[in-house]
Amino acid sequence: EAQVTQNPRYLITVTGKKLTVTCSQNMNHEYMSWYRQDPGLGLRQIYYSMNVEVTDKGDVPEGYKVSRKEKRNFPLILESPSPNQTSLYFCASSTSYYYSSYEQYFGPGTRLTVT
Amino acid sequence: GNSVTQMEGPVTLSEEAFLTINCTYTATGYPSLFWYVQYPGEGLQLLLKATKADDKGSNKGFEATYRKETTSFHLEKGSVQVSDSAVYFCALLTGANNLFFGTGTRLTVIP
Repeated sequence: EAQVTQNPRYLITVTGKKLTVTCSQNMNHEYMSWYRQDPGLGLRQIYYSMNVEVTDKGDVPEGYKVSRKEKRNFPLILESPSPNQTSLYFCASSTSYYYSSYEQYFGPGTRLTVT
Repeated sequence: GNSVTQMEGPVTLSEEAFLTINCTYTATGYPSLFWYVQYPGEGLQLLLKATKADDKGSNKGFEATYRKETTSFHLEKGSVQVSDSAVYFCALLTGANNLFFGTGTRLTVIP
């Protein structure tokens, strides 16, 4: 089954404790992206990756890091989480960076709470 | 810049009522337009899309027409069902493959 998976689905942590949210897709997609969803703000892009070893900032990159060492995986790293990073996070993937009509496939989401 | 303005919710309708969720956009160039749906506890799923002016996207009884003259992409359904209860997001996609989302509209359909 074609899908995007994220782990963990739920995470409660404390300020300053480094964490990683994993994202994996099995569709051989080139393009992957991370979004955060907050009430009244919709989804905002954090980082995206056009292909292996190619990443770039989205609209709200501060406090986050990413890496793309393999095509299927795109982990999101919070080196020192803060309470304002409490949010619902979605990973997404798409066939290609270059074609603006391509559908993005979303993972099920990771609900993060930072206390 | 690029932005999407979406009708604020929540919207509550009775089963079989007509649905309209308004969406207008601002974009540079010629974006593609999308409606995504988020069912409770799930990620977003593509509902329909339109890639150029006057295109009509349709799926599961939902429709939206890409209106360049009014920069709009309103979502409509003639007869909603309880199973349509979800949050609906309008989005535009630029050539850089970056999606810009509206804030979402929560729809609740009551029997």
